[in-house]
Amino acid sequence: ETGVTQSPTHLIKTRGQQVTLRCSSQSGHNTVSWYQQALGQGPQFIFQYYREEENGRGNFPPRFSGLQFPNYSSELNVNALELDDSALYLCASSLTSGGDTQYFGPGTRLTVL
Amino acid sequence: AQSVTQPDIHITVSEGASLELRCNYSYGATPYLFWYVQSPGQGLQLLLKYFSGDTLVQGIKGFEAEFKRSQSSFNLRKPSVHWSDAAEYFCAVGKRAAGNKLTFGGGTRVLVKP
Repeated sequence: ETGVTQSPTHLIKTRGQQVTLRCSSQSGHNTVSWYQQALGQGPQFIFQYYREEENGRGNFPPRFSGLQFPNYSSELNVNALELDDSALYLCASSLTSGGDTQYFGPGTRLTVL
Repeated sequence: AQSVTQPDIHITVSEGASLELRCNYSYGATPYLFWYVQSPGQGLQLLLKYFSGDTLVQGIKGFEAEFKRSQSSFNLRKPSVHWSDAAEYFCAVGKRAAGNKLTFGGGTRVLVKP
């Protein structure tokens, strides 16, 4: 059984650009959540996808968007990058969408210059 | 809104000594509670979780945590710390009616002295 994987590991972008981060869920998990972890802080919930539909969103602007595919892999897209978007982006998968344990991937470190 | 407080930003402990990390939460009902550990540059690894039942929860790597409803706390303990326990520890609370959204505390960085 493979765990949660994320790609790329590191990414450098400039302000105003767009970025796509990818996540592959743990086998059998149909729910994926994305979190943003700024340096020195705890992770903050961005949104959750269940069976290809967004079913929960944190306090993030619409330029943060996502997709979940039929194989339950997922993407996080961020448009019009700002300097404050520099962070570690974590993906977590869970067996169900109803208050279940989440298993985290290693994260993608995004740097915006 | 739910919130989580980890009062200690840094803790230094000698190898072999006991460790206790504090976590207080604010939530109107019984939450789901978690402790995760994060090594530098890594993702989060689940140490243990509380959903219901016995308020003393055993986890991996010799960690345990106790849920105290009256104090809104979920403190993490380990009787004897190993050098490999140096990491950042996060307490998180989930809300039964809000899917899998977790609210995290700010974390406690643990340093282990030889």
